[in-house]
Amino acid sequence: DTAVSQTPKYLVTQMGNDKSIKCEQNLGHDTMYWYKQDSKKFLKIMFSYNNKELIINETVPNRFSPKSPDKAHLNLHINSLELGDSAVYFCASSSGTGVTGELFFGEGSRLTVL
Amino acid sequence: GDSVTQMEGPVTLSEEAFLTINCTYTATGYPSLFWYVQYPGEGLQLLLKATKADDKGSNKGFEATYRKETTSFHLEKGSVQVSDSAVYFCALSDRNSGNTPLVFGKGTRLSVIA
Repeated sequence: DTAVSQTPKYLVTQMGNDKSIKCEQNLGHDTMYWYKQDSKKFLKIMFSYNNKELIINETVPNRFSPKSPDKAHLNLHINSLELGDSAVYFCASSSGTGVTGELFFGEGSRLTVL
Repeated sequence: GDSVTQMEGPVTLSEEAFLTINCTYTATGYPSLFWYVQYPGEGLQLLLKATKADDKGSNKGFEATYRKETTSFHLEKGSVQVSDSAVYFCALSDRNSGNTPLVFGKGTRLSVIA
């Protein structure tokens, strides 16, 4: 069983469209994250949820809206996609907030906006 | 704010060569330090960690020592293999920063040739 799973793995879409990426973890963790990795491999935190509550919301356009229906799921919805949104989006989870331990990452969702 | 600086890549080595990837950090509190590895097409996974000064983390032949006096956490391996080809990320977690998640360096790509 995959610990942190994301779908879809690849997503190709046109500018202006709306798309969602889903993430599920079966580790029993209470904190989940979305990271964005650009073409130069730089990783930047976008959001973090603890027990369905938003605890970190970095400077991200409000076209990006995370939703956590329960503590095992954290989805990312993106409205009005732009070329600059092309990246690999990683979901991750950890036990507890403040991250004194390990993050478990999904395999990533590669978004290409044409 | 907290930050991590890694040496620029890419690093290309022959099999069995000695590896060093430099990492220095800036933190206001007492961070834990991590090395993550990302193999091609995969998510990040924890390679090793150290939670206090002078601790040495080790795994799969890789080592890194937490040096508070030089604010460094350099990654070393005595004899690299082709299978070590990946992107390596240094990261910190500052326990005094509340909900701040892991802060990553920009990553260093390692290519090992036979």
